[in-house]
Amino acid sequence: QKEVEQDPGPLSVPEGAIVSLNCTYSNSAFQYFMWYRQYSRKGPELLMYTYSSGNKEDGRFTAQVDKSSKYISLFIRDSQPSDSATYLCAMIPGTASKLTFGTGTRLQVTL
Amino acid sequence: KAGVTQTPRYLIKTRGQQVTLSCSPISGHRSVSWYQQTPGQGLQFLFEYFSETQRNKGNFPGRFSGRQFSNSRSEMNVSTLELGDSALYLCASSPSGEHTEAFFGQGTRLTVV
Repeated sequence: QKEVEQDPGPLSVPEGAIVSLNCTYSNSAFQYFMWYRQYSRKGPELLMYTYSSGNKEDGRFTAQVDKSSKYISLFIRDSQPSDSATYLCAMIPGTASKLTFGTGTRLQVTL
Repeated sequence: KAGVTQTPRYLIKTRGQQVTLSCSPISGHRSVSWYQQTPGQGLQFLFEYFSETQRNKGNFPGRFSGRQFSNSRSEMNVSTLELGDSALYLCASSPSGEHTEAFFGQGTRLTVV
């Protein structure tokens, strides 16, 4: 069983929809939770990170962490076609630790 | 400010050959990490170098090795290539090894035939 599980999708939504992307994990030592966006033929781009439980908002993006359930989410409001990409969650127990990634969810936002 | 630069972008090699990939981190960044990305396994950590020393290592065979130079540029080498080594190899740099601030390059697409 992988340490971090993520539904590969693809997830197809109409423009303007609210998107919910999720990951579950098994290692209770994880403390920092990151979301990356990866466009085709590009490297991952850090969207945001959260420390421990709680919510964090950045523009149209909101990250949510529930450590008691070992469940993290990324919400995208007012989704745009330019949001079409693969979204990867990643997590680490400490800031100097290696990143452990989910396999990514492919999102397609249609006009 | 230039981003993380990986060269070459694409590479085709034959089974049994060896290959060297290069990564130039963002100026001032001292930590370089390498990851292998495949459709089935996703991103898997290979190793991290910080100030020319290997700080962390993933679960890959000894055919995978790396090094970091005094200017923080890093290379990774794969010897005796296997078909299963076909993947996107990504490097990420961070200022002081804090991986909440890791910035990725565009990767090197390696195809082994």
